[in-house]
Amino acid sequence: ETGVTQTPRHLVMGMTNKKSLKCEQHLGHNAMYWYKQSAKKPLELMFVYSLEERVENNSVPSRFSPECPNSSHLFLHLHTLQPEDSALYLCASKPGQGWHEQFFGPGTRLTVL
Amino acid sequence: AQSVTQLDSHVSVSEGTPVLLRCNYSSSYSPSLFWYVQHPNKGLQLLLKYTSAATLVKGINGFEAEFKKSETSFHLTKPSAHMSDAAEYFCVVSGGSNYKLTFGKGTLLTVNP
Repeated sequence: ETGVTQTPRHLVMGMTNKKSLKCEQHLGHNAMYWYKQSAKKPLELMFVYSLEERVENNSVPSRFSPECPNSSHLFLHLHTLQPEDSALYLCASKPGQGWHEQFFGPGTRLTVL
Repeated sequence: AQSVTQLDSHVSVSEGTPVLLRCNYSSSYSPSLFWYVQHPNKGLQLLLKYTSAATLVKGINGFEAEFKKSETSFHLTKPSAHMSDAAEYFCVVSGGSNYKLTFGKGTLLTVNP
């Protein structure tokens, strides 16, 4: 256990649904990340928040919308997804300046029908 | 710019035999290097890290890695494989950016009884 939790662990949704993924850490970390992990592809960085400010948006389609209301919580809002968006979505956090390693949650397995 | 190459996409060993997972990196900066492990349907767990201290780094579960600057390598080893070591392993480099990591494509380790 890394102290980073994600809910739900599994999600099945239709292309017209709206859902949200949640990530939570009470480790006092300052940076939080969303990654997408698809089969046979490298881990893809989607968004980075540092001190609740978005510092990276890696050309992610607008059907993915992140939200970081405070330093402990990170959301990924999903709407009108495509089947190719089916993947494992991983959240990670990092303590702050001078730290490089990230601590990962268990992921949400998303299936888009 | 930085990059990571994991030389084998799949390694298969017998239980009790040594494990070698190979990783080469490229970085314009003095890098920090990591190995993460991912068991099926789980998040990534940090195995070990190199951050410019000792070049031989010991991690959890008996794994270790050696940083060789002349060879730009950071290979992961374990003297004796256990069935529970079967997982995917990621070599990761950090450097030049305070918050971004660059991941290799992963090596799937299979351990045969």
